[in-house]
Amino acid sequence: EDQVTQSPEALRLQEGESSSLNCSYTVSGLRGLFWYRQDPGKGPEFLFTLYSAGEEKEKERLKATLTKKESFLHITAPKPEDSATYLCAVRGGGADGLTFGKGTHLIIQP
Amino acid sequence: DVKVTQSSRYLVKRTGEKVFLECVQDMDHENMFWYRQDPGLGLRLIYFSYDVKMKEKGDIPEGYSVSREKKERFSLILESASTNQTSMYLCASSSLDGTRQYFGPGTRLTVT
Repeated sequence: EDQVTQSPEALRLQEGESSSLNCSYTVSGLRGLFWYRQDPGKGPEFLFTLYSAGEEKEKERLKATLTKKESFLHITAPKPEDSATYLCAVRGGGADGLTFGKGTHLIIQP
Repeated sequence: DVKVTQSSRYLVKRTGEKVFLECVQDMDHENMFWYRQDPGLGLRLIYFSYDVKMKEKGDIPEGYSVSREKKERFSLILESASTNQTSMYLCASSSLDGTRQYFGPGTRLTVT
């Protein structure tokens, strides 16, 4: 059974204070690790897909990295508009649906 | 831009009612999914479909059924709604290679 654990559950940062969110996973036959952003009352918005250990992807202030057991979402010099819940998910070899973690609720204070 | 639309943003139903949640995508995607999202539990897969009239159970299919008569439309059916089905329901679609799932805005269903 695929499993995804995200930490911390919640994180409060000052504007400009860089940090990282963690996603630990166990999966048989990884076919993709996904990061999504979700704003209150809305559907998840796609950020990145990573496929193999060592892979990195960047978008504005966000950078996602992948190892064989975990992924990190690094946030550099965040702004208040980066406040959201960040979701990590994996697609394993057994099915096409995603297995999600419970998310990290990120608050950036001005 | 890919668009996934859901028929209602908010829905209130009574226990025992039959409930239909509709989802439409405009990208000719083969795969479509239904998830529910609950505080403390995250998103969980209910059903998915990889082709018209084809369906597969996800992690929590009990109490639900689905219908896919056309490629762009995927319906979630609650045969007899119960209070423990109060939740946010999210539809998603992806191409066959599954490189990215696009989500709809969600339907917040309350069963009283």
